[in-house]
Amino acid sequence: IAGITQAPTSQILAAGRRMTLRCTQDMRHNAMYWYRQDLGLGLRLIHYSNTAGTTGKGEVPDGYSVSRANTDDFPLTLASAVPSQTSVYFCASSDREYNEQFFGPGTRLTVL
Amino acid sequence: GQNIDQPTEMTATEGAIVQINCTYQTSGFNGLFWYQQHAGEAPTFLSYNVLDGLEEKGRFSSFLSRSKGYSYLLLKELQMKDSASYLCAVRDLNYQLIWGAGTKLIIKP
Repeated sequence: IAGITQAPTSQILAAGRRMTLRCTQDMRHNAMYWYRQDLGLGLRLIHYSNTAGTTGKGEVPDGYSVSRANTDDFPLTLASAVPSQTSVYFCASSDREYNEQFFGPGTRLTVL
Repeated sequence: GQNIDQPTEMTATEGAIVQINCTYQTSGFNGLFWYQQHAGEAPTFLSYNVLDGLEEKGRFSSFLSRSKGYSYLLLKELQMKDSASYLCAVRDLNYQLIWGAGTKLIIKP
């Protein structure tokens, strides 16, 4: 692994289903983030974690949950997917919350 | 409220210079970032300004005026590979990034 990986690359999901997007980084970064990117809008922060064991809510947290059991992994779970959650999801990390963020390749999620 | 404005799209010619502007109104300011994003790819870091003035990095430069809530990204000697979206982001006092919608730059030969 080099940098940040995300899985799956893309997914089509039926509304109401549960889905976990995976994010793993090997840079030993303390801070990790989940964003969604929709056409015509800026990246919007869903949840973040400044260090392992802690998480916080971003701008659009409703319908999403995260956990940070260790430094490397930061999964994002949609408990019951809805069509408005159709988006491209990016995971990012930084060595400290005040430094530049490095992004994973993204997951394209479609909820039907 | 928090607001970051960038032009939606710009067109420039290969070899020329282009300036992409970003204006912001945020409840706090703790630095401004520029990222580049090619279509279908992840954003990648370009530059960071926290003090007023110009930061130069090769063909790319970024300028900040905190009193005016204004920044620009200057790209010189444009190449076809510079065709991408350029994202402006302001870091607030909680170290969260507030993102503009991005400027799509089209380079023509």
